[in-house]
Formats: sequence, structure tokens, C-alpha cells
Amino acid sequence: ETGVTQSPTHLIKTRGQQVTLRCSSQSGHNTVSWYQQALGQGPQFIFQYYREEENGRGNFPPRFSGLQFPNYSSELNVNALELDDSALYLCASSGQREGSPLHFGNGTRLTVT
Amino acid sequence: AQKVTQAQTEISVVEKEDVTLDCVYETRDTTYYLFWYKQPPSGELVFLIRRNSFDEQNEISGRYSWNFQKSTSSFNFTITASQVVDSAVYFCALLEYGNKLVFGAGTILRVKS
Repeated sequence: ETGVTQSPTHLIKTRGQQVTLRCSSQSGHNTVSWYQQALGQGPQFIFQYYREEENGRGNFPPRFSGLQFPNYSSELNVNALELDDSALYLCASSGQREGSPLHFGNGTRLTVT
Repeated sequence: AQKVTQAQTEISVVEKEDVTLDCVYETRDTTYYLFWYKQPPSGELVFLIRRNSFDEQNEISGRYSWNFQKSTSSFNFTITASQVVDSAVYFCALLEYGNKLVFGAGTILRVKS
């Protein structure tokens, strides 16, 4: 069983730039969620995708957007990067059943300078 | 609004000591799920356990045990005979009906040899 994989592992961008992070879900999982984890804090929910549609969104501005593809992989796009966007971005996949545990990838460490 | 509180920011113990990590939650829903995750220095969030709101039975898995008490809205996690490999950040999280997992701020556990 293949776990959740994310790329890249680390990324350095300049304020104002745009970034795309990628995630492959665990086999058999059709739901993908993205979380932002600032240093020393718990992860914060960004949004979730199910069957290629956004299925819930946290308190993040529209410059955070995403996609889910037919193979259930997903992308997180962030436009007009700000210094506060520096964080660990975690992707998680889960099954369709209510209450299914989320299985997380190793994350992408984004640094905005 | 839902909320998860992990009052212990950091705990240090000596190997073989028992340690309990506290978690208190707030929710208005009658159906919800509680989780514990472990985050080692590598960054990946590792799923440990899930409990639904209708199952108050305590659970033991090897050196790990969990105490769920709806009357006090608590879901505490005990590690028996701690080991250095248990050193990590531990997160308690709440999932209400829907798709958003709300995390506590985490407890840093340091186990010294």
C-alpha cells in the first residue's frame, strides 16, 4: 500500500511569487485535505477535495486554491505569497466513510523571503 | 465553535516513566470523532487512534492507552514505560460532522535516557 507522498520537500520563494505543491493520495483514498502548520502550532485546515470538487474550506483567503485530479492526486496553489505563508504544508488522504482517519504525507516546508 | 485544548506545552520524563498527555475538547455536536496523532522530527503526522462519540470504552495498544470521558470532555493519552523513541509532538484533534479536523496546539514530549 502506497502512502501519501508530497513534493517538493522544501521550497524557498520570494514574497509576491506563486507556488504549487503536489500530493499523491494513499491508494484507495478518494478524499484529499490540505493543512498549514506554522512553526510551534497545530495544523490548520485549508480545504478538502472529494471527486475533484472542493468539499469544505477553512479560514484562508482565495489566493489559496486547489485542484484534485481523476487519479485523486491534488495540488495546492498559493498566489501572491506573503511572509506569513511560511509554514509546513501537509496533505492528507482519507476514505469516504464518515470519521475515516486522515493519513498524512511528510509535508512541504515552504519558506517565503 | 469547536475547540481542542492541550494545556501541557512540553513534558520531560526519564525513560521508563509513565506519562499522560491531556486533551480537552469543546463541541455542540452529538456525533464527533477524536484522534491522536504523533509528529516526530521528520514532520509526518502519524495516526495513533480514533474514537467516536458513542464509544467511551478505553483502549490499550501495547504501551499506549487512551481514556475517553464524555462527562469531562476529555480524551487523555498515556504512554507506559516511555522510551526515547516516543519523543515527539503529540496532537489531539476533533472531527465533527463534516470534513474539518481541528487540532490542539500539541504537546512536546521529551524522553531522556
